[in-house]
Amino acid sequence: GNSVTQMEGPVTLSEEAFLTINCTYTATGYPSLFWYVQYPGEGLQLLLKATKADDKGSNKGFEATYRKETTSFHLEKGSVQVSDSAVYFCALYSGGSNYKLTFGKGTLLTVNP
Amino acid sequence: DGGITQSPKYLFRKEGQNVTLSCEQNLNHDAMYWYRQDPGQGLRLIYYSQIVNDFQKGDIAEGYSVSREKKESFPLTVTSAQKNPTAFYLCASSPLTGGSNQPQHFGDGTRLSIL
Repeated sequence: GNSVTQMEGPVTLSEEAFLTINCTYTATGYPSLFWYVQYPGEGLQLLLKATKADDKGSNKGFEATYRKETTSFHLEKGSVQVSDSAVYFCALYSGGSNYKLTFGKGTLLTVNP
Repeated sequence: DGGITQSPKYLFRKEGQNVTLSCEQNLNHDAMYWYRQDPGQGLRLIYYSQIVNDFQKGDIAEGYSVSREKKESFPLTVTSAQKNPTAFYLCASSPLTGGSNQPQHFGDGTRLSIL
């Protein structure tokens, strides 16, 4: 079956530090890949997506590249801010009629001033 | 503005009670989903529906029930058979056209606790 593995948190960084959150996946076929962000007490918001190999998704300074050869979709940001503190979820959709997403367990990021 | 509204934000249940969580969307999406979120476990799918009057079990449907009488609404009932209902519940919706280019949109969640 499909699965998503994220690096375990929590991750604590100082403001302006470089961020990487690793995400690898197992899926049949050619899945679409997503990063969602969850701020405290809120639901999930789509951060970025990539639908085919070598695509780069980007939004709000965050980037992730769909690497089929390594089955990875690592999230990066060059300079984090305190407002980036949140839980980040990697997810995949592998097709089919049920439109189900498979989520990783989430990575808590805390950015200190 | 279009979006998904979940209510209430906080809900308390006594032992042996059923409770119903509301989810309404005005995005004109065909598909709706219910997830349960527990610390350190990510999101797990409870039920989903792709069309009015039809729904399917997800990975952890035991102790839950749903209905889909209107396209806009997908209420979740947590029954007394659910022995560990304390969690954060998230409702989501998505179009069915467009496939992978149409990600799911989420509400702000309901936090359910046992008294």
